[in-house]
Amino acid sequence: GENVEQHPSTLSVQEGDSAVIKCTYSDSASNYFPWYKQELGKRPQLIIDIRSNVGEKKDQRIAVTLNKTAKHFSLHITETQPEDSAVYFCAANLSGGGADGLTFGKGTHLIIQP
Amino acid sequence: DGGITQSPKYLFRKEGQNVTLSCEQNLNHDAMYWYRQDPGQGLRLIYYSQIVNDFQKGDIAEGYSVSREKKESFPLTVTSAQKNPTAFYLCASTKDPKTEKLFFGSGTQLSVL
Repeated sequence: GENVEQHPSTLSVQEGDSAVIKCTYSDSASNYFPWYKQELGKRPQLIIDIRSNVGEKKDQRIAVTLNKTAKHFSLHITETQPEDSAVYFCAANLSGGGADGLTFGKGTHLIIQP
Repeated sequence: DGGITQSPKYLFRKEGQNVTLSCEQNLNHDAMYWYRQDPGQGLRLIYYSQIVNDFQKGDIAEGYSVSREKKESFPLTVTSAQKNPTAFYLCASTKDPKTEKLFFGSGTQLSVL
């Protein structure tokens, strides 16, 4: 079936280093790719998104890249800080979007080591 | 995000009991969703609704039921047929399910007594 694969499931980096989380999707018709951050016991919050008409988008320390040919997109966090520790989910609107909305990856637990 | 409210924050279910989770939004969104979150499983879609009085099953609808009598409200009932209901439940809404930001409620943690 159509799905979104996310790797790694856990990522531990030293404070100040960069973190990269990768996702692949199965449907070439997908055109919207958001990233959500979820702190423990809290609701997921949108941190950045990208549409298929661009290859990269940046917002301060966070960037997302999209490779439509390879059907993968990545989240890049630079100069990581303790408050970046959370679970990050990628998502895609498979089949170009439908009433059932987004399909989510299984999440990456990012740990920032002091 | 303010605008979508879930209650209660914690809920306990006895065996054989049905329980209802509340979700209310004042964002004037047509589309609403219920997701179940288990550790390491991401968010899995239970039910969704695009319009009042209409809803569809998601990937894991068995043991759950919903209603959409008002645009603002999309309650989820966890029935006694759901044998493993312990999970974190998230409600969400959006103006356009294809390309718009999804707004989440703060979640309900359901546990079995």
